[in-house]
Amino acid sequence: SQTIHQWPATLVQPVGSPLSLECTVEGTSNPNLYWYRQAAGRGLQLLFYSVGIGQISSEVPQNLSASRPQDRQFILSSKKLLLSDSGFYLCAWSGQHSYEQYFGPGTRLTVT
Amino acid sequence: AQSVTQLDSQVPVFEEAPVELRCNYSSSVSVYLFWYVQYPNQGLQLLLKYLSGSTLVKGINGFEAEFNKSQTSFHLRKPSVHISDTAEYFCAVSDQASYDKVIFGPGTSLSVIP
Repeated sequence: SQTIHQWPATLVQPVGSPLSLECTVEGTSNPNLYWYRQAAGRGLQLLFYSVGIGQISSEVPQNLSASRPQDRQFILSSKKLLLSDSGFYLCAWSGQHSYEQYFGPGTRLTVT
Repeated sequence: AQSVTQLDSQVPVFEEAPVELRCNYSSSVSVYLFWYVQYPNQGLQLLLKYLSGSTLVKGINGFEAEFNKSQTSFHLRKPSVHISDTAEYFCAVSDQASYDKVIFGPGTSLSVIP
């Protein structure tokens, strides 16, 4: 069966520091991968998605970036965090030409 | 462009009472519809999905939803809620034109009162 992992689970970082969140999927190959952000009490905002290695689409211009160095690995990064980057970050995957997405447990990021 | 509306941001309901969470979408092509549930500090879990076929879809935890094309709705229902159903519920839509992306609604917070 397929599983999706995210780490770390929680993170507290000062303003201006770098960020690296990692997501890996097991039990499937060539998945579509997604990064979402969920601000407190709000819905999901799609940040990036990838349909293959090295293929990244950005949905919202900001100081975040994403990379997909391996088929089942998706990384969210920032060079300098802002207070507004605080939130709950969710990674998800779906099969090629499949419509439902499956989510990881999330990372709670607090920028102080 | 697709959009999803969840008319109720918060729904309080007494335990063992029925509940309906409303969802409306806008799309001009064939759609695929989903309901997800999110418990506090967790990721989203797929409750049920409509891809084609019967308009009444049954999911996990006793939930069901009905696809109504003429009203562009996909309301979620449960005949008798339990305390453990307290969570955030998200409606989502995709279509053949953008199969690799799903648009999520803003969510409805369901609070079950003992």
